[in-house]
Amino acid sequence: DIQMTQSPSSLSASVGDRITITCRASQTISKYLNWYQQKPGKAPKLLIYAASTLESGVPSRFSGSGSGAEFTLTISSLQPEDFATYYCQQSYSSPSTFGQGTKLEIK
Amino acid sequence: EVQLLESGGGLVQPGGSLRLSCAASGFTFSFYAMGWVRQAPGKGLEWVSGISGGGTNTDDADSVKGRFTISRDNSKNTLYLQMNSLRAEDTAVYYCAKYGSSSWLASFDYWGQGALVTVSS
Repeated sequence: DIQMTQSPSSLSASVGDRITITCRASQTISKYLNWYQQKPGKAPKLLIYAASTLESGVPSRFSGSGSGAEFTLTISSLQPEDFATYYCQQSYSSPSTFGQGTKLEIK
Repeated sequence: EVQLLESGGGLVQPGGSLRLSCAASGFTFSFYAMGWVRQAPGKGLEWVSGISGGGTNTDDADSVKGRFTISRDNSKNTLYLQMNSLRAEDTAVYYCAKYGSSSWLASFDYWGQGALVTVSS
């Protein structure tokens, strides 16, 4: 199975900050990488698919990049509603696997 | 508007069985692969099972293989997860999710609200 490792596991930041979360795959996965946001008690929400394509309705302050085995999620200017947990997921091969999550907290 | 509504969760004893259902609406159900993802209390996301749009192809995580069965009824726009020989470690919120394509090697673009399954004596 492909292992997905996110860093950092947690992050404290302020409204208006620019932050980056990294996701590394244990083998190359081309651009089959997706990002989700999850708020407490809620289902995950798709933000970015195919490494860099913004899902419809997602604010443009979210962006994704990378290919092969290293990927990043960037939020250009944090808003209060962005404080949540973020997960990456590889959809290159079955079983699909998720990163362990990055909890983004208010500083 | 896409809606996914899970039902069937609850408390079950170890070794018991439970069937989850997911009623889908707002899209052509048979066109899309569907899946189940679970989240143990305070933990991350774990893919459980996936099924093709026509229902002929399925795949399961090793952790549930031989115990869980995913299926679908396209005439009823409903996805199922039959869970047998349940263990304490199966305790989780189970999410029904729609893939963004006919293949389960894709992102999940819509999720249900989740159904809590608790395995305990």
